[in-house]
Amino acid sequence: RKEVEQDPGPFNVPEGATVAFNCTYSNSASQSFFWYRQDCRKEPKLLMSVYSSGNEDGRFTAQLNRASQYISLLIRDSKLSDSATYLCVVLNTGNQFYFGTGTSLTVIP
Amino acid sequence: DTAVSQTPKYLVTQMGNDKSIKCEQNLGHDTMYWYKQDSKKFLKIMFSYNNKELIINETVPNRFSPKSPDKAHLNLHINSLELGDSAVYFCASSLGSEQYFGPGTRLTVT
Repeated sequence: RKEVEQDPGPFNVPEGATVAFNCTYSNSASQSFFWYRQDCRKEPKLLMSVYSSGNEDGRFTAQLNRASQYISLLIRDSKLSDSATYLCVVLNTGNQFYFGTGTSLTVIP
Repeated sequence: DTAVSQTPKYLVTQMGNDKSIKCEQNLGHDTMYWYKQDSKKFLKIMFSYNNKELIINETVPNRFSPKSPDKAHLNLHINSLELGDSAVYFCASSLGSEQYFGPGTRLTVT
């Protein structure tokens, strides 16, 4: 079983739409959780950390459910510039990061 | 200022050759990593070093040998390159839980 599983998509949504991505992780001892964004032919970049209480950064909201081992990312009012691949990332004991396969988002004018 | 840099950015070589990729970070981070991203875009950890010491060595052929001369550098040497080694190789560094990636090295083995 993979450490981190994501729906690869693709998600094609119109500008202004709300879109949600989900991710599950297999190790209940996982310590920290993140969403990264990767543009085409570029390196992954940290979008936001995910906290147990849920956290928001502008149009982006991340949620963590430790009981269900589930992480989500909600993007409101999608912009064309949000088009990218979104990677769910889990940090386990031993300082090892595990990446999901990524969910592809295309925002359409 | 570039935080994590890699050279070269592109590398095209023939099967059987030996090549190296260099990585440097100027963030003062303790931990550095090598990842491989294949054609299906899956990003997989290969190695991790903490203060020049190897702490993670995933199931990687021993043709791949990392070397960390100091905390700011982590190089990757690959012997006897194979077609399946074609991928993008990313270096990253972290202090605590946040990772910063280099721009990647796109390796094509012909």
